[in-house]
Amino acid sequence: TQLLEQSPQFLSIQEGENLTVYCNSSSVFSSLQWYRQEPGEGPVLLVTVVTGGEVKKLKRLTFQFGDARKDSSLHITAAQPGDTGLYLCAGVRFNKFYFGSGTKLNVKP
Amino acid sequence: KAGVTQTPRYLIKTRGQQVTLSCSPISGHRSVSWYQQTPGQGLQFLFEYFSETQRNKGNFPGRFSGRQFSNSRSEMNVSTLELGDSALYLCASSWLEGGTDTQYFGPGTRLTVL
Repeated sequence: TQLLEQSPQFLSIQEGENLTVYCNSSSVFSSLQWYRQEPGEGPVLLVTVVTGGEVKKLKRLTFQFGDARKDSSLHITAAQPGDTGLYLCAGVRFNKFYFGSGTKLNVKP
Repeated sequence: KAGVTQTPRYLIKTRGQQVTLSCSPISGHRSVSWYQQTPGQGLQFLFEYFSETQRNKGNFPGRFSGRQFSNSRSEMNVSTLELGDSALYLCASSWLEGGTDTQYFGPGTRLTVL
């Protein structure tokens, strides 16, 4: 069983639509990170959230850390084909990284 | 500055064989972590080395082992390969140990066990 549950697993949308990816757990994390991975490459860090309730924005991407530091969400506004990829959340707990299973996003032009 | 490099990029082995994968971290980084990525289980932590010492270990059998050299380069070894070991093996480096610092991932080694 994964410590971090990510949903949805797959998402196929049209360019211009909005979407939200969720990352949930019953465990508390000291920080949570979001990565994007493209085929043939390793994950690339997008953001780190540390404080409960923290919200960070990266252009059209908005990341939120839950108040209790057990969950997080990633919201993309007006998705573009360049957003296509595998999105992974990762929580840090006792100096170990625990990754969610990932959300495969496909944005069609 | 060069990124994290992993060699080889692709590897095909048969059951029962052993394999060694190599990871060169970003210059100056002293922490190297290894992960296994499969479609079914996602990304799972194998172990972390910092200054040549294993600092953390995931829930993998003893067939999976690693080491780190004085120049921070790391190797991972899998003995007595099983079909289920087919996966993308990723390494990540960082300045600091544990989850206290940004990890930079390499492109991975795709291992296929036949």
